[in-house]
Amino acid sequence: QSALTQPASVSGSPGQSITISCTGTSSDVGGYNYVSWYQQYPGKAPKLMIYEVSSRPSGVSNRFSGSKSGNTASLTISGLQAEDEADYYCTSYTTSSTVVFGGGTKLTVL
Amino acid sequence: QLQLQESGPGLVKPSETLSLTCSVSGGSISSSSYYWGWVRQPPGKGLEWIGSIFYSGRTYYNPSLKSRVTLSVDTSKNLFSLKLSSVTAADTAVFYCARFSAVPNYWGQGTLVTVSS
Repeated sequence: QSALTQPASVSGSPGQSITISCTGTSSDVGGYNYVSWYQQYPGKAPKLMIYEVSSRPSGVSNRFSGSKSGNTASLTISGLQAEDEADYYCTSYTTSSTVVFGGGTKLTVL
Repeated sequence: QLQLQESGPGLVKPSETLSLTCSVSGGSISSSSYYWGWVRQPPGKGLEWIGSIFYSGRTYYNPSLKSRVTLSVDTSKNLFSLKLSSVTAADTAVFYCARFSAVPNYWGQGTLVTVSS
């Protein structure tokens, strides 16, 4: 199975909005609404930020939102804050009953 | 509050078998709503799904690792385990256990396993 495709890095200034894309195929992202996004700080475990494409777990800021169009899912962070600087990973369930991750995106807050 | 805790040797020799256990507290591993599984992350690299297991013992493995991976579950002790055989330096990684609802929704803190002689 191939990893989902994410940009290696994105950046934005405080207060701005950024979007991270996650491109798969009809066998994963496009085939299910089981797409999640995680935030990871260095040396820490991933934290669930978005599940089932666009749902936010309790306690996650509403500045984080998710969407999907065809085989591409997206994570948007609005009102960027310095604390948002981290790595972000997408993941999807697949038609083979497996799980595939994106390669990760490093977000830099300028 | 659900807690997942990985345990096992931090150093494994090449060609040997890596064995890790994930102890679950604050929730039952026998829940029909969730799977349990493992994700690894080599130093400085991305996340890789290893496999998942249902409390009944039904397993799902990453095709690239399937020949070397065995997952098991012990419902009486509320834990599940990972065995990865014939390890090489390329298997050095932080290993996370996680609860899955199709994809991971709750993670352990992770444990670093280094493969070296």
